[in-house]
Amino acid sequence: KAGVTQTPRYLIKTRGQQVTLSCSPISGHRSVSWYQQTPGQGLQFLFEYFSETQRNKGNFPGRFSGRQFSNSRSEMNVSTLELGDSALYLCASSLVGGLQETQYFGPGTRLLVL
Amino acid sequence: QKEVEQDPGPLSVPEGAIVSLNCTYSNSAFQYFMWYRQYSRKGPELLMYTYSSGNKEDGRFTAQVDKSSKYISLFIRDSQPSDSATYLCAMSAAGGTSYGKLTFGQGTILTVHP
Repeated sequence: KAGVTQTPRYLIKTRGQQVTLSCSPISGHRSVSWYQQTPGQGLQFLFEYFSETQRNKGNFPGRFSGRQFSNSRSEMNVSTLELGDSALYLCASSLVGGLQETQYFGPGTRLLVL
Repeated sequence: QKEVEQDPGPLSVPEGAIVSLNCTYSNSAFQYFMWYRQYSRKGPELLMYTYSSGNKEDGRFTAQVDKSSKYISLFIRDSQPSDSATYLCAMSAAGGTSYGKLTFGQGTILTVHP
């Protein structure tokens, strides 16, 4: 079974631009979670989607948004990029997002904001 | 104060050593405890998953959970150079706001030298 895939793997943007990242979960998984990883803050939860609905959201500004499609693929968008948005963005999938479930991570998208 | 505290290291040990990695947490709602391993430029991969207090062993890895002390540990026996990676503890809490959300420690950078 194929793992979680994320595209693109690397991105370079300038301040003020916006960016869209894509995540394809493991086949059959309907929950997709997004995380931001930085050296200073570590891995922080952004939001989770299930059946095209955002069920949970972390403590990030509204510039960070996401959506999920009917095939469970998910995208996240960051508008008006800031230098501090430079990070590794990881998505993880699980069957239904239950607290007892294992999350499987993709390789991440490394975003550099100049 | 962060909900999950983990010493970032770095930790350097000789091949064959026993490695001890630890996390403490403050949220008594955390019920499921995981250890992930992350190699450079890769996404985290699940190593161990535990629910109740006590020990769980899998090959060279042993996970311990002490809920009364809010303390979890991962032991690696006969460490190998291939174990060199960042080790992340992660936890999930009960409740409706916990869908798809893992709370991570900062991660400990481990180097096993031959």
